[in-house]
Amino acid sequence: DGGITQSPKYLFRKEGQNVTLSCEQNLNHDAMYWYRQDPGQGLRLIYYSQIVNDFQKGDIAEGYSVSREKKESFPLTVTSAQKNPTAFYLCASSRAGLGANEKLFFGSGTQLSVL
Amino acid sequence: QKEVEQNSGPLSVPEGAIASLNCTYSDRGSQSFFWYRQYSGKSPELIMFIYSNGDKEDGRFTAQLNKASQYVSLLIRDSQPSDSATYLCAVNVDNNDMRFGAGTRLTVKP
Repeated sequence: DGGITQSPKYLFRKEGQNVTLSCEQNLNHDAMYWYRQDPGQGLRLIYYSQIVNDFQKGDIAEGYSVSREKKESFPLTVTSAQKNPTAFYLCASSRAGLGANEKLFFGSGTQLSVL
Repeated sequence: QKEVEQNSGPLSVPEGAIASLNCTYSDRGSQSFFWYRQYSGKSPELIMFIYSNGDKEDGRFTAQLNKASQYVSLLIRDSQPSDSATYLCAVNVDNNDMRFGAGTRLTVKP
């Protein structure tokens, strides 16, 4: 079955630690995205990538980093510079960039908490 | 700032009733509009999309778009307890800029 796989489902970070969230898709989609969801708030864009080896900052990129070495994979690293990392992280993809009529599909999410 | 606004709810309706969810957006250049359903602790699931003014029906769901008034709504007919979830409105403003509302929590009571 085609889809987007995120791992792990739950992740705990110690202070000063970098952690990496995995996102893999087998939909053959060109574009991939990372969103952060906090309780009572809309999804906020962290980073997106339209093609391999290229990515752009979203609204809240500070304290995060990404790579896009393969079409299928778009890992997100939450660095120690992100002082409030506790949130639900969602990876998404679309067939192409979000032009008119493109739809966004989500992975199952990773809940990150601070120890 | 390109905003998408939704009433946070909770919206409570009895089983079998029509649930009406509303969303307004600020950017007149917005091109496409989406409704996602999100169960607690789960990821959003696309349930409806609409691109043109008017109504679009899919089973028990109807999306309504009025670009002049800058609102989009979702009607759920014959509401079921399994429809209880948070509904997110999303607006595609331009290339790679999808804006989400904070969501409306719907509870359908048996």
